[in-house]
Amino acid sequence: GDSVTQTEGQVALSEEDFLTIHCNYSASGYPTLFWYVQYPGEGPQLLFRASRDKEKGSSRGFEATYDKGTTSFHLRKASVQESDSAVYYCALSDHGGNNKLTFGQGTVLSVIP
Amino acid sequence: GGIITQTPKFLIGQEGQKLTLKCQQNFNHDTMYWYRQDSGKGLRLIYYSITENDLQKGDLSEGYDASREKKSSFSLTVTSAQKNEMAVFLCASSIQGAQGNTLYFGEGSRLIVV
Repeated sequence: GDSVTQTEGQVALSEEDFLTIHCNYSASGYPTLFWYVQYPGEGPQLLFRASRDKEKGSSRGFEATYDKGTTSFHLRKASVQESDSAVYYCALSDHGGNNKLTFGQGTVLSVIP
Repeated sequence: GGIITQTPKFLIGQEGQKLTLKCQQNFNHDTMYWYRQDSGKGLRLIYYSITENDLQKGDLSEGYDASREKKSSFSLTVTSAQKNEMAVFLCASSIQGAQGNTLYFGEGSRLIVV
């Protein structure tokens, strides 16, 4: 079945550091790929998504590029802020039209001021 | 805009007890979902429903029942609570149809088994 792997379980950075969270997926065809963010005490919310090879998704300074060749969708941000501290989930959607998402394990980002 | 309301926010029960979580949405979305969130394991799908009275099993349905009594509500029952089931349960909804529609999540309900 489909799967999503996030390499980093926890990331600790200082403000203005560069962020990379690695996401690799396994699925047939062209799944839609997502990044969700979950702030403390809230449910996950969509950061952005991408549906085609080489498509770039972006929001709030975060970005990721759909790479079919390496089956990856790595999240990057050039300069993190304390307010970016949250849990980040990579996910993919199956082709069934029911929008079931398969999530990665999640990455806890802590940004120290 | 809309909102997803999960009740209760904390549910405390004893081992072996049957416990129910409720979810309401006012987006008028067709599809609703229950996910379980465990630290280090991400979100795993328990049940989903594409319309009123429909139920579809996810990857983690064993030990759970669900009910979609009307379009706006979706409940999840833990049939016999166990201590290793303590987790956060997240309800979500989305429009039925085109691949890649956004899921909207509630704030979650934490299950505590004593």
